[in-house]
Amino acid sequence: SQTIHQWPATLVQPVGSPLSLECTVEGTSNPNLYWYRQAAGRGLQLLFYSVGIGQISSEVPQNLSASRPQDRQFILSSKKLLLSDSGFYLCAWTSGGEVETQYFGPGTRLLVL
Amino acid sequence: EDQVTQSPEALRLQEGESSSLNCSYTVSGLRGLFWYRQDPGKGPEFLFTLYSAGEEKEKERLKATLTKKESFLHITAPKPEDSATYLCAVNSGAGSYQLTFGKGTKLSVIP
Repeated sequence: SQTIHQWPATLVQPVGSPLSLECTVEGTSNPNLYWYRQAAGRGLQLLFYSVGIGQISSEVPQNLSASRPQDRQFILSSKKLLLSDSGFYLCAWTSGGEVETQYFGPGTRLLVL
Repeated sequence: EDQVTQSPEALRLQEGESSSLNCSYTVSGLRGLFWYRQDPGKGPEFLFTLYSAGEEKEKERLKATLTKKESFLHITAPKPEDSATYLCAVNSGAGSYQLTFGKGTKLSVIP
């Protein structure tokens, strides 16, 4: 069966510091991978998605970037965090195709102070 | 632009009191509607995918239905463990990988 991991689970960072969040998927190959942010009182917002190694599409221009160095690894990064980057970050995967069900990881809670 | 509106924002039920959650959507062409359950501090857990009007799916005390403008999540005889936030999302448009999510309905089931 497929499993998706995210770490760290919780992170407290000062404004201006860098960020690296990691997501890995087990039990499948060539998945589509997604990064979402969930802010309090708002719906999930798609940040990036990737259909293959090195292929990244950005949905929202912002302070963040994403990379996919390996088939089942997806990384969310920032060079300098802003207060507005605080939120719950979720990684998701699908097995391919556009209308496939997205399965979510456990999430990373980020607090920028 | 796709829009998803969920109502009510919050719902309190007595254990055993059946009810429904609503998800209204406006899309250019629906390709799939998804229901998820999210517990506090956790990632959303997949419940159902519906593809066309008239489709229904069931899982334990939950039943999801779909019309051309909305979807309902019916909860029959809920238990306290059904307490969670229920999220609705739609996928529309050829070539789009994006899901548009509603803000969710927070369900509390009181013993």
